[in-house]
Amino acid sequence: DAGVIQSPRHEVTEMGQEVTLRCKPISGHDYLFWYRQTMMRGLELLIYFNNNVPIDDSGMPEDRFSAKMPNASFSTLKIQPSEPRDSAVYFCASRRTGGPTQYFGPGTRLLVL
Amino acid sequence: SQQGEEDPQALSIQEGENATMNCSYKTSINNLQWYRQNSGRGLVHLILIRSNEREKHSGRLRVTLDTSKKSSSLLITASRAADTASYFCATEASGSRLTFGEGTQLTVNP
Repeated sequence: DAGVIQSPRHEVTEMGQEVTLRCKPISGHDYLFWYRQTMMRGLELLIYFNNNVPIDDSGMPEDRFSAKMPNASFSTLKIQPSEPRDSAVYFCASRRTGGPTQYFGPGTRLLVL
Repeated sequence: SQQGEEDPQALSIQEGENATMNCSYKTSINNLQWYRQNSGRGLVHLILIRSNEREKHSGRLRVTLDTSKKSSSLLITASRAADTASYFCATEASGSRLTFGEGTQLTVNP
C-alpha cells in the first residue's frame, strides 16, 4: 500500500528559477495539505485542498507561491521566482474525511542558491 | 504563530528510562495528536486523543490531556535507541487543519 509520494526528493536551484514540487496523495484520501518546515519557523501549513478545491491558502507566503490540484491523485506546489529564503523541506500530507490522522510524504528538500 | 508549545525543546536520556514531553496550546480543540519525525523523514502519526478523553495508551506510549489547563503530555516508557527522533504535538480545532508545535528532540543513548 503506497503512502504519499513526493518528487523530487531533493532540488537544488538558483535564485530566480522556477521550482515545481509534486505530490501524489494516498488513494481514497480527499484532503491534501502542503507544509513547509524550517529550523526558524518550524512546520507551517501553506495550503490545503478538499476534493481538489483549495480551502485555506492563508499560509502561502506570497504571490510567488502557487498550488494546484488538477485531480484527486496529483498536486503541485510551484515557486516562481525562487529565492534563497525559500530553502526548506516541503511536505505533502493527505487524509480522508472522517479520519483525523494525516499521512505525510517523505518531503522535498529544496535549496535555493 | 504556533498553536502548540512543547517542553522541553530537547531531552537526552539513557536507554530504558522513561521520556516525558509536554505540549501546551491556546484555543479549544477537537483532538490532539502526537507525531514523530526521524531525521530527514516525514512525520508519522503516533496517537490521537479526543477532547473528551483524559488518557490514552498505545504500546509504550501514554498520552494525557487536560483541557482545563490546555496541555498534554506524551510518555514513552522503557525507551530504546530507536526512539531517538523529534516529537510534535498537533491540535485540531474547527475545520480540518492541524497546527503543530515546535517539537521536542529526544535522544536516547544506548
